Amino acid sequence: AQSVSQHNHHVILSEAASLELGCNYSYGGTVNLFWYVQYPGQHLQLLLKYFSGDPLVKGIKGFEAEFIKSKFSFNLRKPSVQWSDTAEYFCAVNSGGGADGLTFGKGTHLIIQP
Amino acid sequence: DGGITQSPKYLFRKEGQNVTLSCEQNLNHDAMYWYRQDPGQGLRLIYYSQIVNDFQKGDIAEGYSVSREKKESFPLTVTSAQKNPTAFYLCASRLGNEAFFGQGTRLTVV
Repeated sequence: AQSVSQHNHHVILSEAASLELGCNYSYGGTVNLFWYVQYPGQHLQLLLKYFSGDPLVKGIKGFEAEFIKSKFSFNLRKPSVQWSDTAEYFCAVNSGGGADGLTFGKGTHLIIQP
Repeated sequence: DGGITQSPKYLFRKEGQNVTLSCEQNLNHDAMYWYRQDPGQGLRLIYYSQIVNDFQKGDIAEGYSVSREKKESFPLTVTSAQKNPTAFYLCASRLGNEAFFGQGTRLTVV
């Protein structure tokens, strides 16, 4: 069975600070990796995804993530956060075929202080 | 506009009553999913369906039931057997490896 671990449940940063949210997964086979964001009162949106190829993937709103296979990690980064990045962030994984649905981490609640 | 529609946005029910949450998609996706979101728990898979007239239990199916009579529709029934039904419920459909989510239904059982 797959599992996803997000290291920080709550993160508080000031505007312009750099962000890195950790995500580790446990699954030995081929995986697809995702980061989703949920802004207050809004639905879940895809930030970025990794299926194969270049392990450094760029997403929307200046976010990027790096897949490190040897560490089973897919950390999310942003060089300079904005107040509007305040949201809940979820890392998710599914196996190569994707048919069985996504396995999510418990989420990281990010608060950006002006 | 193509997308996934969940209704209603907020739902209140008395304890002991069954309640059905609606999920409709016009994306022509074969696979659909129901997740439950609780604070600090992330999203957990309840049921999924890869094709019409077929569905599978997810990680937390107890106390829930689904049907998939039409490609566009995947309703979820929260039965009285679900011990802790108050939660935020998200429906999704899948194309390839990517999932698309509805806006969710917040169910409160009093």
